[in-house]
Amino acid sequence: NAGVTQTPKFQVLKTGQSMTLQCAQDMNHEYMSWYRQDPGMGLRLIHYSVGAGITDQGEVPNGYNVSRSTTEDFPLRLLSAAPSQTSVYFCASQGGGYGYTFGSGTRLTVV
Amino acid sequence: GQQVMQIPQYQHVQEGEDFTTYCNSSTTLSNIQWYKQRPGGHPVFLIQLVKSGEVKKQKRLTFQFGEAKKNSSLHITATQTTDVGTYFCAGPPDNTDKLIFGTGTRLQVFP
Repeated sequence: NAGVTQTPKFQVLKTGQSMTLQCAQDMNHEYMSWYRQDPGMGLRLIHYSVGAGITDQGEVPNGYNVSRSTTEDFPLRLLSAAPSQTSVYFCASQGGGYGYTFGSGTRLTVV
Repeated sequence: GQQVMQIPQYQHVQEGEDFTTYCNSSTTLSNIQWYKQRPGGHPVFLIQLVKSGEVKKQKRLTFQFGEAKKNSSLHITATQTTDVGTYFCAGPPDNTDKLIFGTGTRLQVFP
């Protein structure tokens, strides 16, 4: 099992550009979530999903969209990048009532 | 909104000393999870507690879930340099599926 795979690992965007952060898991987990981690700020929930076709907002959803067309994939779209979205983004999945498995993260810089 | 606070924010200890981090939620949690994040890494699941007043041990680590299911603690006995990292508690508020993380406690261990 590869676990949770995030791509790309690093990305630099210009203000106003859009992009999609990819996340895929091969554990057949129902729950998937996106977090952002800023220095000294801990992990903040952006969006989450409890199964294919179902998504909901987390603590900081503005500026981001998600979709869950399959169990495996949960992409995060930045609509119009802003410097305030410079952060490390983590995707995570959970199944079987156990803890979340995290991907290795995407380090995004918006200039 | 729901808040999960952890104290202390930072802790520096000499190797062999004990360490405790405390987690307090503004709302009742259906379970409490603990994660460890090494510098530059991603969060790794340690344990989950579900029952009010539950205590679990993993070698030198002792986890406790409060009676009111709003607070928790992690105690490490005789710290080692391998314990270095940031420890996060996390939990879903009752009747929700979203996992909210605490602010984290960064542990530094000096040899």
